Amino acid sequence: DAGVTQSPTHLIKTRGQHVTLRCSPISGHKSVSWYQQVLGQGPQFIFQYYEKEERGRGNFPDRFSARQFPNYSSELNVNALLLGDSALYLCASSFRQEHNEQFFGPGTRLTVL
Amino acid sequence: DAKTTQPTSMDCAEGRAANLPCNHSTISGNEYVYWYRQIHSQGPQYIIHGLKNNETNEMASLIITEDRKSSTLILPHATLRDTAVYYCIVRVSSNTGKLIFGQGTTLQVKP
Repeated sequence: DAGVTQSPTHLIKTRGQHVTLRCSPISGHKSVSWYQQVLGQGPQFIFQYYEKEERGRGNFPDRFSARQFPNYSSELNVNALLLGDSALYLCASSFRQEHNEQFFGPGTRLTVL
Repeated sequence: DAKTTQPTSMDCAEGRAANLPCNHSTISGNEYVYWYRQIHSQGPQYIIHGLKNNETNEMASLIITEDRKSSTLILPHATLRDTAVYYCIVRVSSNTGKLIFGQGTTLQVKP
């Protein structure tokens, strides 16, 4: 079985642009969470989606948004990019909303110039 | 969710047991202890979790003190591939999927 997949692997954008990151969960998993990991720090929770509804939101500005599709894949959108948005963006899936064992993808490395 | 404290870094000789401590003195009765690790340039990987009993799986053992204020993750025979950042997280099982990662412990396994 394929693990969590994310695309693209790397991305370079300039300030003010917007970006869309994509995540495909493990087959059968209905919960997808997004995390931002700045260099040298642990991942920070951005969103959780379960059954296509937002079930949790971290302390991030409204420039960050996400959605989950009927096939449980998910997109993370970031508008008006800032230099500080440069980070590794991680997606994690689990079977249920509260499931403890989350499976992480390899991440998308976003660089904002 | 309770806060955790871990040493910033640790070394371990290859083939020896790696014992990674975690303090969670404010843990509540319904909070579990979870361990994840992150190998360089990869996403975090779930290792093990427990409530109050010691737990063991194919990757590691988790020892939780009787008062549940601290725990130790044990990798019985560390290999070079175990070099990673190890995160100790405490959370309520019925919460959302939100995981609160701290700085973690950087474990360096040396030949």
